[in-house]
Amino acid sequence: GQQLNQSPQSMFIQEGEDVSMNCTSSSIFNTWLWYKQEPGEGPVLLIALYKAGELTSNGRLTAQFGITRKDSFLNISASIPSDVGIYFCAGRGISSGSARQLTFGSGTQLTVLP
Amino acid sequence: DGGITQSPKYLFRKEGQNVTLSCEQNLNHDAMYWYRQDPGQGLRLIYYSQIVNDFQKGDIAEGYSVSREKKESFPLTVTSAQKNPTAFYLCASNLWGRDQPQHFGDGTRLSIL
Repeated sequence: GQQLNQSPQSMFIQEGEDVSMNCTSSSIFNTWLWYKQEPGEGPVLLIALYKAGELTSNGRLTAQFGITRKDSFLNISASIPSDVGIYFCAGRGISSGSARQLTFGSGTQLTVLP
Repeated sequence: DGGITQSPKYLFRKEGQNVTLSCEQNLNHDAMYWYRQDPGQGLRLIYYSQIVNDFQKGDIAEGYSVSREKKESFPLTVTSAQKNPTAFYLCASNLWGRDQPQHFGDGTRLSIL
């Protein structure tokens, strides 16, 4: 099946720093999604990407759909304490069963130090 | 408010017991999904349903069962055949368009007594 490699697994940063994380796939994806999950809660959709090369922002968050369609990255600028959580990428590939199923990365645990 | 409601928030299971996790959505979404989340891992798909009275196995369906008798409800039963049921279970739903993202409930944490 499809595999997603998300890195880094965890990050410890100072408040105010910028953050970057990425996901790479073993096959072509036609949709990339980025979610944030806080402890004891479900993931919340941050950004959805649908076209190769697409660059989309949501406040201090920016995500891009890679040109090769096998990768995506998420940047967070000027981090604040409430950015703490686990960030997941998810992709939907051409060959993902019914073409509706998502494959999830293993997550990036972000800790923001005051 | 529209959303996905999972209950209970915490659930304990005894050995040999079946337990059922509830998932209700009032978003008029067509498709519903169940995922299992273990520490340090991504979400793994258990079952999904595109329409009422139809559902499909995901990657880790063994030891689980579901039903879809109503559009808004998709309960998951963790059977005694599931030998390692301790996990965080997440329900999601979306419209069945090609690019519609999935939205999640707040999860149920299942533990073994």
